[in-house]
Amino acid sequence: DGGITQSPKYLFRKEGQNVTLSCEQNLNHDAMYWYRQDPGQGLRLIYYSQIVNDFQKGDIAEGYSVSREKKESFPLTVTSAQKNPTAFYLCASMGTGQEPNYGYTFGSGTRLTVV
Amino acid sequence: KNQVEQSPQSLIILEGKNCTLQCNYTVSPFSNLRWYKQDTGRGPVSLTIMTFSENTKSNGRYTATLDADTKQSSLHITASQLSDSASYICVVSGGDSSYKLIFGSGTRLLVRP
Repeated sequence: DGGITQSPKYLFRKEGQNVTLSCEQNLNHDAMYWYRQDPGQGLRLIYYSQIVNDFQKGDIAEGYSVSREKKESFPLTVTSAQKNPTAFYLCASMGTGQEPNYGYTFGSGTRLTVV
Repeated sequence: KNQVEQSPQSLIILEGKNCTLQCNYTVSPFSNLRWYKQDTGRGPVSLTIMTFSENTKSNGRYTATLDADTKQSSLHITASQLSDSASYICVVSGGDSSYKLIFGSGTRLLVRP
């Protein structure tokens, strides 16, 4: 079945470490996104990519980095510069054109905790 | 400023009752509006998507309405079940880029037996 796979589901990071969250999709979607979700708040956009080898900063990109070397993959690195990384991270992808390809699909999320 | 506001923030209802969640937006130009259901610790799952020309769309016990003139949407849940307990998120596409979606902060619904 087509979908988005995020891994790992839970991740623990020591202060000062960089960690990378994986996001893979087999929906043939062009656009991919990373969001951060904190308790009681709406999703906030970190980075997004409309095509391979191209990506743009979202509203809260500081302390994060991404790459888009393949259409299927959009990994997010949480760097040591991100001072408050503990959150729930969601990856999403979007196709264009007629439904269902116009759908916007989320992964199941990665919960990152600083220890 | 492009914004999406949802009300109420939280809601508690008894199993079997109906409820309506509200979403107001100021996004312009408008492309489409989506409602998602998010269980705790999981990714959001799409319930409905409506474009400018659609004013109602149903998905089982969920019915979404859209008034593009007043920039308001509602999600009506009929005959609620315990499994409806979740956060419901209104998302609007448009503004300066149809690739970027603007999220409401969600309504947390608790259905009690």
